[in-house]
Amino acid sequence: EIVMTQSPATLSVSPGERATLSCRASQSVSTKLAWYQQKPGQAPRLLIYGASTRATGIPARFSGSGSGTEFTLTISSLQSEDFTFYYCQQYNNWPPYTFGQGTKLEIK
Amino acid sequence: QVQLVESGGGVVQPGRSLRLSCAASGFTFNNYVMHWVRQAPGKGLEWVALISYDGSNKFYADSVKGRFTISRDNPENTVSLQMNSLEPDDTGVYFCARGSGVSGWDPFDRWGQGTLVTVSS
Repeated sequence: EIVMTQSPATLSVSPGERATLSCRASQSVSTKLAWYQQKPGQAPRLLIYGASTRATGIPARFSGSGSGTEFTLTISSLQSEDFTFYYCQQYNNWPPYTFGQGTKLEIK
Repeated sequence: QVQLVESGGGVVQPGRSLRLSCAASGFTFNNYVMHWVRQAPGKGLEWVALISYDGSNKFYADSVKGRFTISRDNPENTVSLQMNSLEPDDTGVYFCARGSGVSGWDPFDRWGQGTLVTVSS
């Protein structure tokens, strides 16, 4: 099973600033890496797939990069609605599909 | 528009059974892999099961293998999760999610709102 590790667990950033979230895989997942945003009480929403492709309707301030075992989600110019939870997921080696434990993005 | 609506959650005693359903609309259901994903209270996301577009292939997380069964009814546009021998650790919100293609090597591009399952005596 591939273990996905996200860092940091909590990230404090001011509105309008840039946030950088990290995700590491225990072995290579190529670029089969997705990022999801989840607001409390809601379903996850796909943000990024293929490590760097924005899903339909996702604003350009969200970008993803990386391949193999190291991945980054960058949110430029943070808006109030961006302060919530983010999860990475690998879909290269399954079953099982595995998610990171999540990063909480909070207002500084 | 694409919609996934789960139902069937509730409170159940350990060792009992529960059946979840997910009604899909707004897309050609039999063109997509479907998944169940769960989230324990205050915790992260855990993939539970996958069923192929035609129902011929099914895969499960080790934590539910032998207890849970995923199925689909393509004419009715529904996917179900039969959960037997429930344990307290099965407590959480259960989401159905659509794989974005016919293969398993795709992200989960649409999610339902979830249904809460509580296993407690």
